[in-house]
Amino acid sequence: AQTVTQSQPEMSVQEAETVTLSCTYDTSENNYYLFWYKQPPSRQMILVIRQEAYKQQNATENRFSVNFQKAAKSFSLKISDSQLGDTAMYFCASGSGYALNFGKGTSLLVTP
Amino acid sequence: DSGVTQTPKHLITATGQRVTLRCSPRSGDLSVYWYQQSLDQGLQFLIQYYNGEERAKGNILERFSAQQFPDLHSELNLSSLELGDSALYFCASSVGGWTYNEQFFGPGTRLTVL
Repeated sequence: AQTVTQSQPEMSVQEAETVTLSCTYDTSENNYYLFWYKQPPSRQMILVIRQEAYKQQNATENRFSVNFQKAAKSFSLKISDSQLGDTAMYFCASGSGYALNFGKGTSLLVTP
Repeated sequence: DSGVTQTPKHLITATGQRVTLRCSPRSGDLSVYWYQQSLDQGLQFLIQYYNGEERAKGNILERFSAQQFPDLHSELNLSSLELGDSALYFCASSVGGWTYNEQFFGPGTRLTVL
């Protein structure tokens, strides 16, 4: 079974600043995928970024990037130039095979 | 809008009752997943169907069951409801049935058991 741990229940950042959300996971699989999902107050789950474990290059999507450390089983999300609309719950997830295993989430508040 | 629809949006019922949650996947998606999001347990995978067949099971209680119909919509049946079943239930769909296939989530059904 895969477990995902997000050690920061809450974080805050000022608009235009950079923030990093932490995530560690535990898996015995060789092939797996890692994801960050965003859940704004609307409750809609939105995929932010994903990383294939076999790829060494860190994934990037506009202002969002990851720091994937496979040996350490770490998968952090960096949000650059934070915007008010980034305020949301962020969930880290891992999966191999079929379904996803989610962490408990980090509540991010972006302040003016 | 992800293209995944779920009905109803809200459901309020009493303990011991039975309810059915419905999900229509995105056009072209063959796989449907059900997740439960509660305050204490977080977001948990319940069950997955692919093209009408059950493919994977997670932390789904025996009181819960699901199915995927020939038109690919899915229903999650919750019976003998308990207070602890109050949660947000998400359906997600993907083209294939593997984790590398991006899952698109519906807006969820908020279930309140009184």
